Amino acid sequence: KAGVTQTPRYLIKTRGQQVTLSCSPISGHRSVSWYQQTPGQGLQFLFEYFSETQRNKGNFPGRFSGRQFSNSRSEMNVSTLELGDSALYLCASSLGPTTGELFFGEGSRLTVL
Amino acid sequence: AQSVTQLGSHVSVSEGALVLLRCNYSSSVPPYLFWYVQYPNQGLQLLLKYTTGATLVKGINGFEAEFKKSETSFHLTKPSAHMSDAAEYFCAVSAYTNQFYFGTGTSLTVIP
Repeated sequence: KAGVTQTPRYLIKTRGQQVTLSCSPISGHRSVSWYQQTPGQGLQFLFEYFSETQRNKGNFPGRFSGRQFSNSRSEMNVSTLELGDSALYLCASSLGPTTGELFFGEGSRLTVL
Repeated sequence: AQSVTQLGSHVSVSEGALVLLRCNYSSSVPPYLFWYVQYPNQGLQLLLKYTTGATLVKGINGFEAEFKKSETSFHLTKPSAHMSDAAEYFCAVSAYTNQFYFGTGTSLTVIP
């Protein structure tokens, strides 16, 4: 069974631009969560989607948004990029919202110049 | 509210020695607890988890952890370190949701 697939793996943007990251969950998994990992703040929860609905949202500004499609694939978008948005963005999937186990992808490393 | 504290951002052990990585948690409800490992330029891989039941949890690659409610701890151990264990280890807690709260991580170095 294929794991969680994230694209692109690496990308470079400049301040003010926007970026869209994609995540394909493990087949059969309906919940997708997004996390940001930085050296200074560590791993922080961004949001979770289940059945195309946002269930939870972390403490991030409105520039960070996401969505989930009917096939459970998810995208996250960051608008008006700032230098501090440089991070590894990790997607994780699970069977449902309370199954207590997350399977992570390898991440999308975003560099903002 | 949930939170995790990992004591020691860097731990070094000799190959073949005991590995002990410390994790203390805070949770307002009975927690789910997890240990993940991250190798360079990779995502997180689940080592083991505690949800309910037996307090001694065995995971992959010879790791295990014991849930001690009285000490609010969930320390990770492995009897004999291997070179391939060198990585970053994260403890996490959740309250029955996929909103995990991670510790700041412990970087494990294995000395040959």
